[in-house]
Amino acid sequence: DTGVSQDPRHKITKRGQNVTFRCDPISEHNRLYWYRQTLGQGPEFLTYFQNEAQLEKSRLLSDRFSAERPKGSFSTLEIQRTEQGDSAMYLCASSKGNSNEKLFFGSGTQLSVL
Amino acid sequence: KNEVEQSPQNLTAQEGEFITINCSYSVGISALHWLQQHPGGGIVSLFMLSSGKKKHGRLIATINIQEKHSSLHITASHPRDSAVYICAVRPHFGNEKLTFGTGTRLTIIP
Repeated sequence: DTGVSQDPRHKITKRGQNVTFRCDPISEHNRLYWYRQTLGQGPEFLTYFQNEAQLEKSRLLSDRFSAERPKGSFSTLEIQRTEQGDSAMYLCASSKGNSNEKLFFGSGTQLSVL
Repeated sequence: KNEVEQSPQNLTAQEGEFITINCSYSVGISALHWLQQHPGGGIVSLFMLSSGKKKHGRLIATINIQEKHSSLHITASHPRDSAVYICAVRPHFGNEKLTFGTGTRLTIIP
């Protein structure tokens, strides 16, 4: 399977715990995006990488959130001290180097904070 | 008011009907995406448009840049078309942030 893969598919955690999600984009894709989606809403942009550089970050991304893409391949999104409001689907997408390239999405990680 | 508005929010139709889903946006854009999301979260990109019209199989997408409006049409609809269809815009060249609509839930009844 050469699509975008995300791990884990589901994560249940207690409030206050830290969680980390991983995204493996399509191998030749330079751009990687993280989005968050809550029930009944469209996805909201969190951050994006061009290779290993984090070039844009939403104001939605509080200081409890950090994302990395250390070698320009896979990316991780960490949430520290989780809150119930962090419960959502976290989606990763990738594309080639052009702004107007088609996006390819992973299946997402569903986070539930109890 | 959201930057991207979709209508209708929900649509139920009989198999075989011609389907139209609308998307209006309030900002200048460099591109508009139509996406399909099935239960469980998986999102598939259907089209990316910056002008005119695109067709793929039974799906047709059109965009009118002057009127800030796009439509997604499905001909000869089928139950497997049942999904949430999401419109997303890229506000201006160089800005990577896509702004999404809340989606249209389509249900096709056999």
